[in-house]
This record gives sequence, structure tokens and C-alpha cells, in this order.
Amino acid sequence: ETGVTQSPTHLIKTRGQQVTLRCSSQSGHNTVSWYQQALGQGPQFIFQYYREEENGRGNFPPRFSGLQFPNYSSELNVNALELDDSALYLCASSLEGQRPIYGYTFGSGTRLTVV
Amino acid sequence: AQSVTQLDSHVSVSEGTPVLLRCNYSSSYSPSLFWYVQHPNKGLQLLLKYTSAATLVKGINGFEAEFKKSETSFHLTKPSAHMSDAAEYFCVVSEVAAGNKLTFGGGTRVLVKP
Repeated sequence: ETGVTQSPTHLIKTRGQQVTLRCSSQSGHNTVSWYQQALGQGPQFIFQYYREEENGRGNFPPRFSGLQFPNYSSELNVNALELDDSALYLCASSLEGQRPIYGYTFGSGTRLTVV
Repeated sequence: AQSVTQLDSHVSVSEGTPVLLRCNYSSSYSPSLFWYVQHPNKGLQLLLKYTSAATLVKGINGFEAEFKKSETSFHLTKPSAHMSDAAEYFCVVSEVAAGNKLTFGGGTRVLVKP
């Protein structure tokens, strides 16, 4: 049973709109990462937060932004949605700080469809 | 830079026969390596991980993987496939120099025939 909860599970937005995806991690998980998984592909790293600060970013434009809160929840915000943003968005959290030797725990994801 | 190549996009096996999923990685330093499984409409579940301890790693559900540095490989095996093993499998690399981000392979879809 996963300790990471994502909401909503499915979402449909129109091109140009903005969207906020939410993730609730297990208590004590101070590292959270977000990944984008397009259909038929492996997940791609968007960014990572450690103790409420961004400490790593993949090849995604600035319209992808995030927040991490003291209660171990986090958000992924995407502005000016494009059709190619349609994907499964996964949140992953870890108990460790800088070294995930025990691996990350993933949520079930939010399926975003942009029309 | 770290990268992962999964050599087979699809693997089809009969129930009760062995499963082999091949993975090669590229990493500048000592990597951590993982295998994750994704069932339809589900999130990712960790099968096993290698973090510079024993090179033969045992995971859940009878899966195991062997880290071979000389071959830069981390192949996943299971002696006897079960119908419930039908899913997508991802080989993943992570290293401290890359901020511990996870880099995924393209995935291998496993079909198990009765």
C-alpha cells in the first residue's frame, strides 16, 4: 500500500489554462520529486524539492513550477498548458535527504489530458 | 551523465517459464540501480535496488537482478513467470552527482501467456 497520495486522479484542461496537481507524502519524507510520463514512455524527471527548496530540475520550461510545504505535501503547477503536456504525472517521496538509497515511494499519479 | 537502455520493449513468456529483462546503464560515478514495476493504471512499485552492497540483489515476488560493473548491466530475472507478472518494468539509475534524480529506461512490457 502506497504512502503517497496524489489528487486528482484524472483531470481534463483546455490548452492555455493553468493546472495544480497535489501530492501528500508520508510523514517525515523530506524529499519529493515530480515526474512526467507520456504515453508509452518512461517517466521523465521534472524537479525535486528537499526541505521546501528546489534542489534539482530536469529539462522542463519555467512554466512548470512547484512547492513543498512543511506538512510534507507538495504541488506541481503548470501554466499555459500545451497539448504535449498530456501525460501521467507522478509524485515520489523519500525518507532520506540527499541520498535515496532506499528508493522512492511513488503515488498512483494524476492523468492530465489537455484538449 | 547517467542514462539507461532497456534492450527489449516487449517480452512475451509462457506462465511457469523464466523471465529475463535486460538493462544497460551509463553512469559517471557509482550508481544506485533500481527496478520498478507498473501495472495498468497504477503507480510505480519498487521491485529491488542495488546500492553498492551485494551484486546479486533479491527483490519482491521472486525477482532478482545482478549488477555487473564490467558489462554495465543490471538484468532482471525470475525463474518462473506468473500471470500477475504481466506489467511494464522500468530499469532506473540514480547517482549523487546528478542530484539523486531518477533516470528511467524506456520500459519493457511483459506479456505472460497461459
